[in-house]
Amino acid sequence: ETGVTQTPRHLVMGMTNKKSLKCEQHLGHNAMYWYKQSAKKPLELMFVYSLEERVENNSVPSRFSPECPNSSHLFLHLHTLQPEDSALYLCASSPSGGDGSYEQYFGPGTRLTVT
Amino acid sequence: GQNIDQPTEMTATEGAIVQINCTYQTSGFNGLFWYQQHAGEAPTFLSYNVLDGLEEKGRFSSFLSRSKGYSYLLLKELQMKDSASYLCAVKDSNYQLIWGAGTKLIIKP
Repeated sequence: ETGVTQTPRHLVMGMTNKKSLKCEQHLGHNAMYWYKQSAKKPLELMFVYSLEERVENNSVPSRFSPECPNSSHLFLHLHTLQPEDSALYLCASSPSGGDGSYEQYFGPGTRLTVT
Repeated sequence: GQNIDQPTEMTATEGAIVQINCTYQTSGFNGLFWYQQHAGEAPTFLSYNVLDGLEEKGRFSSFLSRSKGYSYLLLKELQMKDSASYLCAVKDSNYQLIWGAGTKLIIKP
C-alpha cells in the first residue's frame, strides 16, 4: 500500500471517447504529479500541482487536461486521444512542490490503450 | 540538453552482487534518486544522494560522485524478488526530476 491510489487500473478507449483518470493520495502531501511511462523510455513529467495550483506543464497536448480540486485529488481528463498516447499513466505525490530531498510516492498507474 | 544514461538490461545470479551505473548531464544538481519498479507496479523509492559518497541501506547501497556526474546502485545477496527495473533520477537546478529510462535487472537462480 503506497498511499496513492489510481482508478481505473486499465482503460481501453477509442479515439473519439472522453474519459478521466483519477488519483487520490492519503499521505497529506502538498504536491501531485502526472507522468507518462512508455516502454523503454524515461518517465515523462506531464503536470505538477503544488497546493492545488499548476506549476508545471511540459508542453503536453491539449487533449490531456488536468484538474486538481484539492490537495488529495488529481484528475486527468482525456479526449480525442491518438494511438501513440497508449502508455502507463502514473500519478505521484510528495510533501512539497519540488525543492529539497523529498521523494515522490507513486500510484500503481493506469494502463491506457487507445484503439 | 539534459541526459541520464543507464544500461538497458543486466543479468545477475541469485546470491551475487550487481552494480547498476548511472551517469548524468544536467543543468545543475540538487540530488539523485534511485527507484525500484516491479513489472506492472508503481516505482518505489530506494535511496537519495546529494553529497559525494556511499549511502548504505541494508542490502542496497548507492554511491555518488558529483564531479564525475556518476552514481551507482549496489545490490548485495541478490534475491529473486530483486528482479525489477531500477530508475535513476536527478533533480536539476530548477528542482525538476530528470529520469533515466531504467535498467531491467534479471536475476537467475
